[in-house]
Parts: sequence; structure tokens; C-alpha cells
Amino acid sequence: DQQVKQNSPSLSVQEGRISILNCDYTNSMFDYFLWYKKYPAEGPTFLISISSIKDKNEDGRFTVFLNKSAKHLSLHIVPSQPGDSAVYFCAASGDGAGANNLFFGTGTRLTVIP
Amino acid sequence: KAGVTQTPRYLIKTRGQQVTLSCSPISGHRSVSWYQQTPGQGLQFLFEYFSETQRNKGNFPGRFSGRQFSNSRSEMNVSTLELGDSALYLCASSPRGGRGTDTQYFGPGTRLTVL
Repeated sequence: DQQVKQNSPSLSVQEGRISILNCDYTNSMFDYFLWYKKYPAEGPTFLISISSIKDKNEDGRFTVFLNKSAKHLSLHIVPSQPGDSAVYFCAASGDGAGANNLFFGTGTRLTVIP
Repeated sequence: KAGVTQTPRYLIKTRGQQVTLSCSPISGHRSVSWYQQTPGQGLQFLFEYFSETQRNKGNFPGRFSGRQFSNSRSEMNVSTLELGDSALYLCASSPRGGRGTDTQYFGPGTRLTVL
């Protein structure tokens, strides 16, 4: 039972444009959400997170939006750069989900075309 | 600050053998979690250790076990290996663990191949 879903396995974007990666979740007990970036043969690298008390968190070129009523979050990367090409995972955790247990989506492979 | 380290990076075993993987968390981090990544299932939570105690466990058979030492280093053991255990095993550490607002930082993983 996939509690965190990333329905787009891949996304291609031109350099300089905006990349929007989407994530949906089903467990209403989730209250902390994270985005990780992963290169091949490496572990996921933490990018940005958001608590359910907020609806937006920004860090440089990366912004995460949370819509709790829709159980949806998105990661915006502006402007996109070739070095952003990687697999992006969204993850969620919270009460009822088990302490420190992150539930991951299946990932979206982002390709930024120079 | 040094990141999370995992040893070995690559491992080849045969069915029926057992294997032990090691993880050293970021200095000062007390929580260590283990995940399995496979192409079909994505990243799945195995278990979490905090102060040498297993605090949370995912939905994996008892062949998968772990422990944590007083210096927060952790080991994961898989006994009676099966072909389906071939995966990337990732370790993540966080300062406190527990409630979800504690960010986990991942190591590079150990790639286990079972023949």
C-alpha cells in the first residue's frame, strides 16, 4: 500500500525554466514532508522540508508547497539547471506512521536539458 | 562535520549466507534508521535505533535484524539470504529521531548482490 505517490516517473525541462515535481499522500497523520535528491550509486541528499503547519517553504531556488486539504505537495525548482538532473523523492512522516519512519514515493527522474 | 558512512560499499553473497552491514552516523546523531531500496519497491523502511534500542520496525521478516552500539554506530544483519534481498541498503541518521520534524541524512548505501 503506497502511502506516498509520485505519479510522474520522469520529467524533462529546459534549462532556465521551472521544474515542478508533484507528490500525493494518503495518510492524514503525516505532518512532516521532505524532498530528497538522489544521484546513481549515492544515498539520497536532503533538499528541503515542510511542516504541516506551513503551506510554503523556500530555500534558494527550491520551494515546496503543501496543500493539506488535497494531500498534495509539490517541489518547484526555479531556474532549473543541468546539475539538477537526478531522481527526486518525496517523503513523509508523522504520528501514527511510526517514529522516524519515512515513507517514500517511488521517485521522479528530472532531466534538465541544456 | 563528516557525513554518514557505510561499509562495505559493495557486497556479493550467495543464497543462504548471512551478511552484516555497518553504519556510522553523523557525530552527535543518536538515531539511526535503515532502508532498503529496490527497483520495484522503491525505498522501504526497515527499522530505527535510538540509544541502543530498536524503536520502530518496518514490515520485513525476522531475517532482518540490527543493533546499535553505545557510540550510536549501527549494524544490520540479514540471515539466510534470498535472491530478493539484492538491493541498496541505506542508513540514515538524525539528531533525535522520534517525531517527524527531525531530518534524516543518508549515507551512500551498501549495494548487496545475492547470487
